[in-house]
Amino acid sequence: RKEVEQDPGPFNVPEGATVAFNCTYSNSASQSFFWYRQDCRKEPKLLMSVYSSGNEDGRFTAQLNRASQYISLLIRDSKLSDSATYLCVVILSSNTGKLIFGQGTTLQVKP
Amino acid sequence: DVKVTQSSRYLVKRTGEKVFLECVQDMDHENMFWYRQDPGLGLRLIYFSYDVKMKEKGDIPEGYSVSREKKERFSLILESASTNQTSMYLCASLTSGVAGELFFGEGSRLTVL
Repeated sequence: RKEVEQDPGPFNVPEGATVAFNCTYSNSASQSFFWYRQDCRKEPKLLMSVYSSGNEDGRFTAQLNRASQYISLLIRDSKLSDSATYLCVVILSSNTGKLIFGQGTTLQVKP
Repeated sequence: DVKVTQSSRYLVKRTGEKVFLECVQDMDHENMFWYRQDPGLGLRLIYFSYDVKMKEKGDIPEGYSVSREKKERFSLILESASTNQTSMYLCASLTSGVAGELFFGEGSRLTVL
């Protein structure tokens, strides 16, 4: 079993749709969680951190479920510009630098 | 703004050549990483370093070595390039603390013929 798993998609949705991605992790000792966004042929960039209490940034909401060991990303009112690959990142320990990436979920928003 | 700079965006090398990929960050970060990214396999950690002269193997270190002589610079070395090392190589540095943010360079696309 992979340490961090994501459905690779692609998720094809119309503009204005709400779409959700999940990411499961296997190590219960994982400390920190993030969503990164990667555009085609570009480097990944931080989209948002994921906090235990959940957090929202405009149309994006991230949640953490420690009991079930998954994090989620919800995108409301999808825009064409949201088309990208969304990478889940789990940090086991910032001291040892052990970061694990999910494979990424590809989102295509269609007009 | 944090800047992570990779020396070459595109390289073409021949099998058996020695390849150096350089990465420099300007924010005094202690942790630096080298990943490769391949379609269907995602990002895989090759090596990381948490301090000058310190290095740790990642998940796929075979065929690679690294050097961290100065805090701001982390180099990836392919001693004898092979075709299966054709890939996108991404360098990153990590801010300190539990909620650290990972900053990536623009990537180096290496083709080994």
